[in-house]
Amino acid sequence: SQQGEEDPQALSIQEGENATMNCSYKTSINNLQWYRQNSGRGLVHLILIRSNEREKHSGRLRVTLDTSKKSSSLLITASRAADTASYFCATDFGNEKLTFGTGTRLTIIP
Amino acid sequence: DSGVTQTPKHLITATGQRVTLRCSPRSGDLSVYWYQQSLDQGLQFLIQYYNGEERAKGNILERFSAQQFPDLHSELNLSSLELGDSALYFCASSVTPWAGEGTDTQYFGPGTRLTVL
Repeated sequence: SQQGEEDPQALSIQEGENATMNCSYKTSINNLQWYRQNSGRGLVHLILIRSNEREKHSGRLRVTLDTSKKSSSLLITASRAADTASYFCATDFGNEKLTFGTGTRLTIIP
Repeated sequence: DSGVTQTPKHLITATGQRVTLRCSPRSGDLSVYWYQQSLDQGLQFLIQYYNGEERAKGNILERFSAQQFPDLHSELNLSSLELGDSALYFCASSVTPWAGEGTDTQYFGPGTRLTVL
């Protein structure tokens, strides 16, 4: 399967701490995107990183991409209760569609 | 609010029945995608349309079909429903299927929760 896999499956941290989640995939990509999903709601696009980029920032989010290791990480700094959600990586393998990973369930403890 | 609307929000039906889910993309978006999200399968891509034409197919069952109309809204038809079809069905839209060197950002609707009894 080309599906990306997030690690860890679940993560609980104290409010204010940083959260890091990882995504690994198996074949070459055009880009990789991160999405957030609050329980039972639609997915919200967070950030897109292209295969020729190594790092991108958006507010408290920092995404890195290592194409040699076929992996990406999402760092959320200074976490807030509102960050509690599931986070998915989605990979573009060049077939004009996104393949979503299994997700990391993040819980921020107030 | 992503600008993508889906109706209905909830749908409860019986096995063997047929239902239609509707999606209106964001204003200006030409591409529509359908996904199924279930606990055991995760988020699965079903099908994609671009400007009225089928663009890509994923794990869509033969009992399922979709179309995109001239006004760009889309409908997903699910027939001969089985218990295992119970899931959240999401529609997403993007301006085009591609953006520069890769797949464009997709904007998701709130989903339709289908329960088959």
